Parts: sequence; C-alpha cells; structure tokens
Amino acid sequence: EIVMTQSPATLSVSPGERATLSCRASQSVSSNLAWYQQKPGQAPRLLIYGASTRATGIPARFSGSGSGTEFTLTISSLQSEDFAVYYCQQYNNWPPEFTFGPGTKVDIK
Amino acid sequence: QLQLQESGPGLVKPSETLSLTCTVSGGSISSSSYYWGWIRQPPGKGLEWIGSIYYSGSTYYNPSLKSRVTISVDTSKNQFSLKLSSVTAADTAVYYCARPSEVDSSSWGNWGQGTLVTVSS
Repeated sequence: EIVMTQSPATLSVSPGERATLSCRASQSVSSNLAWYQQKPGQAPRLLIYGASTRATGIPARFSGSGSGTEFTLTISSLQSEDFAVYYCQQYNNWPPEFTFGPGTKVDIK
Repeated sequence: QLQLQESGPGLVKPSETLSLTCTVSGGSISSSSYYWGWIRQPPGKGLEWIGSIYYSGSTYYNPSLKSRVTISVDTSKNQFSLKLSSVTAADTAVYYCARPSEVDSSSWGNWGQGTLVTVSS
C-alpha cells in the first residue's frame, strides 16, 4: 500500500505571498499525482493532474512539479479565494487504487 | 455538462447496510471511456477512496473496506450504487460519487455535491 504524506499540516500565508505545499509518496508513483482544493461544505476541485498539468479553468498561479516520490504544489500569489485545504492523490495502475494525502490547510496569516 | 448526484438515507443504524445511489446526467454511464467511483470524507478529516467500477463491470475496492463494499451499475437508469455493510460510527462521513475528467483517467475531475451519512442508533 502506498502511503501519502503532506507537509506542513497548516500553512499561514499573507495574501499576495507565495505558498509551497509538499507531498511525498512512500514509493514511486511516477507522475500519477493529482492535487485538489477543497473549501468548507464543497466537494474537492481538481487543480493539477499528471503532477504538473493544470486542469481546465485553473488559474496559472497554480503550478505542480515533481515525480517519483516528491511533489510540490506552488501558488505563486495567494488570492483570498485560495484559502482552503489542499490534498494530493496518487493513482496506482495495478491494482487500480487511489490514495489521498492527509491535506494541508492554507489559512490567512 | 456532466453532473453527478448522490442520494440515499442520511441516517443508518450500526450493523446495518449503507446504500447510496449516484445519478449521472449529461453523459452515459455505459461509456467505454470511463470508470466511476465513490470517495468518502469523515467530518473534519481527509478523503478516502472507497472503490471504482469500470464500464466492463469490473470493480476495484480499497483493501481496507473490500470485505464490506459492493459497487454496481444500473445502465438503464444511468446510475451506479454503493453498498457498505456492517457499518459502525467510523463510517459516518460525507460520501461523494465521482468520475475522472475527459483528459486524465488517474484523477477525479467530476464530483457530486456529496451526501452526509450518519451511523447512529
């Protein structure tokens, strides 16, 4: 079983600043890594897939990088609507399984 | 535009079976290009994949839940369903149905709004 970890658990950032979120897999997941944003009372929204490709309609201030076991989500200049919880998720090809990280909460400093 | 909507009882008694249905609109559930899945989130906690069903009918479940989970499809109604047996309070969660986006099959691009299921006597 692949275990996903995320750091930090909480990130306090001022609007306009850069936020860097980390995700680590217990074994290589190649580039099968996605990032989601979730706001209170809402379903998660896909931000990044394939480790670095923005989903449709996602602003360019969101970027993903990494491969293998180490991944990063960067928000270049935080907007008020970006304060939320962010989850990473890996996909294992066989058997098909999905595992989410525990999440990073980005709140206002 | 694809839409998914969960439905089912909001309250289930311990040891009973949780049953939820996801109704799909704006697309055919029998499309050979996609699979469909269930994901849950206990209050205040993170996301947990429950399982997926493919157009072929093949199912894949989270190993930690496999013994209690059944996912099935009703193509005539454009729906797929989740059954989780022998529930306990630990199964209290918001349950989401989901499908990958058109461009990536390894992530969940389409989600229902979620439905809260509480396990309590």
